[in-house]
Amino acid sequence: GAGVSQSPRYKVAKRGQDVALRCDPISGHVSLFWYQQALGQGPEFLTYFQNEAQLDKSGLPSDRFFAERPEGSVSTLKIQRTQQEDSAVYLCASSVDRGSSTEAFFGQGTRLTVV
Amino acid sequence: QQQVKQSPQSLIVQKGGISIINCAYENTAFDYFPWYQQFPGKGPALLIAIRPDVSEKKEGRFTISFNKSAKQFSLHIMDSQPGDSATYFCAASKSSGDKLTFGTGTRLAVRP
Repeated sequence: GAGVSQSPRYKVAKRGQDVALRCDPISGHVSLFWYQQALGQGPEFLTYFQNEAQLDKSGLPSDRFFAERPEGSVSTLKIQRTQQEDSAVYLCASSVDRGSSTEAFFGQGTRLTVV
Repeated sequence: QQQVKQSPQSLIVQKGGISIINCAYENTAFDYFPWYQQFPGKGPALLIAIRPDVSEKKEGRFTISFNKSAKQFSLHIMDSQPGDSATYFCAASKSSGDKLTFGTGTRLAVRP
């Protein structure tokens, strides 16, 4: 595709429900990042993949958050037993690689509202 | 721990004026400093970026000024236009392909 695609665009979940958010990165991009953006705040790093390997998950806020990229392309961020504090926009970004002069391209995000 | 501090939180500028947004960082390992522009309902888009080996970078109406000793950098938007109205985020990372640490954002409104 032309850019990073995320789905769904909007998700409303009842507290305690599990959700899965999908990211289709730009074709051929090796690096994939997930960020969480709370209302009125800057994005905060969650996790990083290089191909299928999850090299950094230091930003995941709890063990309820899980991400995978099994074939090195599409990635899924799963949140188990959602809580109200999980309400945010979840952004996915991809880049060609981790080397110099590589720009990260962001998707439009998934807005998650936990009620 | 907020590693990148951004100010002001909001900014109103008249059309044709200069918009200035400032950021300060703490981690001296940061080596790449991009600015992102975000419109409502959209993801951030890279506007301009700089590395600490230069003190200034200009692309069209957008200029980054960088002060390594003070650990500060700023975005200047010359001849601001209503279409520039958006939220601007500064960010920093250890390299251009590494995870980004973002500032809290500046909401810019350019009045016609």
